Amino acid sequence: GAGVSQSPSNKVTEKGKDVELRCDPISGHTALYWYRQSLGQGLEFLIYFQGNSAPDKSGLPSDRFSAERTGGSVSTLTIQRTQQEDSAVYLCASSLGAGGGYEQYFGPGTRLTVT
Amino acid sequence: KQEVTQIPAALSVPEGENLVLNCSFTDSAIYNLQWFRQDPGKGLTSLLLIQSSQREQTSGRLNASLDKSSGRSTLYIAASQPGDSATYLCAGNTGFQKLVFGTGTRLLVSP
Repeated sequence: GAGVSQSPSNKVTEKGKDVELRCDPISGHTALYWYRQSLGQGLEFLIYFQGNSAPDKSGLPSDRFSAERTGGSVSTLTIQRTQQEDSAVYLCASSLGAGGGYEQYFGPGTRLTVT
Repeated sequence: KQEVTQIPAALSVPEGENLVLNCSFTDSAIYNLQWFRQDPGKGLTSLLLIQSSQREQTSGRLNASLDKSSGRSTLYIAASQPGDSATYLCAGNTGFQKLVFGTGTRLLVSP
């Protein structure tokens, strides 16, 4: 079956512009996660959704970052007023359920470059 | 706060060798541990998931073990092949849904 998909695969934007990154989870997966992978920080958690709710937003680095999920499916990560330090690969994952027992499946990522 | 460390950071072996990648974590209250591989410019591919109640999992030439008491997991790769060249990441789930990742081991298998 289809895996997690993300779009765009690459995004180059100018400093100060807003960007939207999209994630389509595996069909039927109720939990969705966003992570960020950067050279200096490794892979770090950003936010987690269970259905359309986000019980854990603790990883969002600033109030310029926000995310939403609609219909228990597609999620959008929005970064406002982008800065150069936002340059990274943004990875989305989904799992069948929440809690520690479920395997997370990752998408191919969106590479964001802020110039 | 869970911290995950992977040793070695990089490993180069000739084809056919058996090898072990190490992962250590600071919080033994772990629900599961996942091993991933990441090819350059690509996302993460899940290799094995070990639940806290299990001691090991096997998939083909891969075997992963988990020892919660010592805070360690190992990934054993048998009869390595050039196609195994990638970065291997371990990640612990402490039940708060998010995975905490190690820094990875970059593996190169030479023909």
